[in-house]
Amino acid sequence: DIVMTQSPDSLAVSLGERATINCKSSRSVLYTSRNKNYLAWYQQKPGQPPKLLIYWASTRESGVPDRFSGSGSGTDFTLTISSLQAEDVALYYCQQYYTTPITFGGGTKVEIK
Amino acid sequence: QVQLQESGPGLLKPSETLSLTCTVSGGSVSSGAYYWSWIRQSPGKRLEWIGYINYSGSTNHNPSLESRITMSVDTSKNQFSLKLSSVTAADTAVYYCARAPSSGHIPWFDPWGQGTLVTVSS
Repeated sequence: DIVMTQSPDSLAVSLGERATINCKSSRSVLYTSRNKNYLAWYQQKPGQPPKLLIYWASTRESGVPDRFSGSGSGTDFTLTISSLQAEDVALYYCQQYYTTPITFGGGTKVEIK
Repeated sequence: QVQLQESGPGLLKPSETLSLTCTVSGGSVSSGAYYWSWIRQSPGKRLEWIGYINYSGSTNHNPSLESRITMSVDTSKNQFSLKLSSVTAADTAVYYCARAPSSGHIPWFDPWGQGTLVTVSS
């Protein structure tokens, strides 16, 4: 199985400041012939299901604010919130869909400092 | 706007079979463009993929659960279902159903149902 490791487990950021979440896969999730990274990011607010933010490592889902961006390739990925808003307080998860079993990171909790 | 809603018993005893149904509205489980999926979230918030099924009944399961899983789709009711046999306390979780695009590759999940808590306790 591909193990997805997120860091940090939690972070506290001031409103308007940048938040950066890291995700590392135990094997590359880059499908080289297609030049695509098979990685998605989700946001989960308290009491709600996860919501898709980004797929193909950097493609924002329709309706997702542009302060959310994804980057990285191969085994190392980052989700960046460029200017943290109060409504961004949530758990964030990465997911690989390069191979089954599909696996998720352990989650990163983002709070307001 | 497609919506998914899980239903099923919330409390089971060890060794019983978990049975959940996901009702889809605003979309059709007969669509060949999607897989219909199950994911669970443990009390510690870890997410675990269970499996997915398409409109024709073709499935893909997590090997860690495969021997206990049965998935089915009912196009007449626009529903799909999960059965997990021989449950233990380790199966206590919030169970989500979700849609996944079947674009020739293993998918991501969007949208998700609200989730239903299943507790296994004697």
